[in-house]
Amino acid sequence: DSGVTQTPKHLITATGQRVTLRCSPRSGDLSVYWYQQSLDQGLQFLIQYYNGEERAKGNILERFSAQQFPDLHSELNLSSLELGDSALYFCASSVVGGVSSYNEQFFGPGTRLTVL
Amino acid sequence: AQTVTQSQPEMSVQEAETVTLSCTYDTSENNYYLFWYKQPPSRQMILVIRQEAYKQQNATENRFSVNFQKAAKSFSLKISDSQLGDTAMYFCALGGSEKLVFGKGTKLTVNP
Repeated sequence: DSGVTQTPKHLITATGQRVTLRCSPRSGDLSVYWYQQSLDQGLQFLIQYYNGEERAKGNILERFSAQQFPDLHSELNLSSLELGDSALYFCASSVVGGVSSYNEQFFGPGTRLTVL
Repeated sequence: AQTVTQSQPEMSVQEAETVTLSCTYDTSENNYYLFWYKQPPSRQMILVIRQEAYKQQNATENRFSVNFQKAAKSFSLKISDSQLGDTAMYFCALGGSEKLVFGKGTKLTVNP
């Protein structure tokens, strides 16, 4: 158990819908990262938050957005869902997230999203 | 841009034998870290071993060790005394100041 929790474990929805994935980082971790794992694209970094502020952006679609709340939990919002958004979405956390910082990330169990 | 390449999509090994998984990377950063993650059928991402780029000594964690060749930008994982529980996808990852960049993975099967 990494200490990172993600809810829900599984999510099945229809095209065009909107969903919210939730992540609680390990106690004491300030950084949260979101990754998408799909069969064709592999593991791709989406976005990082550090202590409530957006820190880095990767291959995140405009239909997707995220935020980190004062209690440090984070939510990833996916809207206007398409079939291709079906994937495993991981949240990871680390203590810090800056240049020259030790960047070990601990992964949650993931949320499997299926878009029908 | 940072890239990670794992050239072996699949590998197999007999139980108790040794296997080496390859990884090459590219980065322009001076401070970076390299990781191997294991993803068993449960899909959980488990950190196997890490290497700080500024350290010349190769990292070792029990049966897992790495061969880090900084000039060649190579970072291979050696698994000794392979066990059935080692069957999983293995991902090489490069971490800089922010995100992790992952390779496509190597599917390792340990045969009894």
